[in-house]
Amino acid sequence: DVKVTQSSRYLVKRTGEKVFLECVQDMDHENMFWYRQDPGLGLRLIYFSYDVKMKEKGDIPEGYSVSREKKERFSLILESASTNQTSMYLCASRSPHSPGQGSSYGYTFGSGTRLTVV
Amino acid sequence: RKEVEQDPGPFNVPEGATVAFNCTYSNSASQSFFWYRQDCRKEPKLLMSVYSSGNEDGRFTAQLNRASQYISLLIRDSKLSDSATYLCVVSPLNSGGYQKVTFGTGTKLQVIP
Repeated sequence: DVKVTQSSRYLVKRTGEKVFLECVQDMDHENMFWYRQDPGLGLRLIYFSYDVKMKEKGDIPEGYSVSREKKERFSLILESASTNQTSMYLCASRSPHSPGQGSSYGYTFGSGTRLTVV
Repeated sequence: RKEVEQDPGPFNVPEGATVAFNCTYSNSASQSFFWYRQDCRKEPKLLMSVYSSGNEDGRFTAQLNRASQYISLLIRDSKLSDSATYLCVVSPLNSGGYQKVTFGTGTKLQVIP
């Protein structure tokens, strides 16, 4: 089974701090994603990467950046944390192969990092 | 109109009941559909894919209605352990690379003894 590991389960940071959220997957997947999840808003895509050193903006990239120096690791960076970035952050990994009937396909999520910015 | 819409619930059902959720999507080009389950304070996990012909996995049945643009999840003989939030996921199918998926906000199910 794919394992996606996020480095921290809970984090409390101060406004203005630079915050690093780390994510590692062990199945050699090309595609990795960072989402945030907020009540009533569901999962919103921040950034994704489909290969080493490649990154693409998602739906809400403002205030975030990412780094993918190695295939297994995808880091989310909050350049200057703000209180509206208090959220649950979920990393996910996925194989890029097109799905077909009977194929096993889908995202595997890490257990999440609950970030509070005070 | 939201790309993917779900009734947030909660659906409170007694043990043993049958319950069904729908999820509507707005993009008619959507080709891939999934149901995820998310327990409280946990990450979403893939429950099942939704195939054009409909598919069943034990007590769970997923169906797709392309004409009306919705997918459904039916749970028979509900168990207490089925209590969770169920997210629908919709994606266009393209030839490769990244496929933008859209997550619904989820429907909360509470099975009561």
